[in-house]
Amino acid sequence: ETGVTQSPTHLIKTRGQQVTLRCSSQSGHNTVSWYQQALGQGPQFIFQYYREEENGRGNFPPRFSGLQFPNYSSELNVNALELDDSALYLCASSLGTGDGYTFGSGTRLTVV
Amino acid sequence: GESVGLHLPTLSVQEGDNSIINCAYSNSASDYFIWYKQESGKGPQFIIDIRSNMDKRQGQRVTVLLNKTVKHLSLQIAATQPGDSAVYFCAENHDYKLSFGAGTTVTVRA
Repeated sequence: ETGVTQSPTHLIKTRGQQVTLRCSSQSGHNTVSWYQQALGQGPQFIFQYYREEENGRGNFPPRFSGLQFPNYSSELNVNALELDDSALYLCASSLGTGDGYTFGSGTRLTVV
Repeated sequence: GESVGLHLPTLSVQEGDNSIINCAYSNSASDYFIWYKQESGKGPQFIIDIRSNMDKRQGQRVTVLLNKTVKHLSLQIAATQPGDSAVYFCAENHDYKLSFGAGTTVTVRA
């Protein structure tokens, strides 16, 4: 059984650019949640996808968007990058929307 | 603002001693709580969870206590080992999302 895998592991982008982060969910899981973790902080919920539909969203602007594919993998897209978007982006998968979350190791995004 | 918070940002403990990490939460409607361990360069790793209909749950070397009256959660680690050095987060699950506190950094002294 494979865990949650995220790619890339590290990324450097310039302010104003766009970025796509990818997540493969754990085998058997149908729900993916994305979190942003700034340095020295706890993760903050961005949104959740369940059966290819957005199931809930945190306090993030519309330039943060996502997709979930039929195989339950997911993408996080961020447009018009800002310096404050620099963070560790975590993906967590689960079976259903309520519990049993497994986190990936994250993508470290640096915006310069 | 955050609904979950930890009392102390850092904890230094002697190897072999017991560790206690505390957490306060504010959403009385939350029904599920989880403790995570995060090592440098890694994502949060599940340690133990507890539902609101329980007040204590034990795992291997870890115990979680839940006091709903004062909305307090604690994690006890028995016989702390060097490998326990990490940042520990409590999280509450309400509806579809987890809300995390800022974390407690645990350092184990040899």
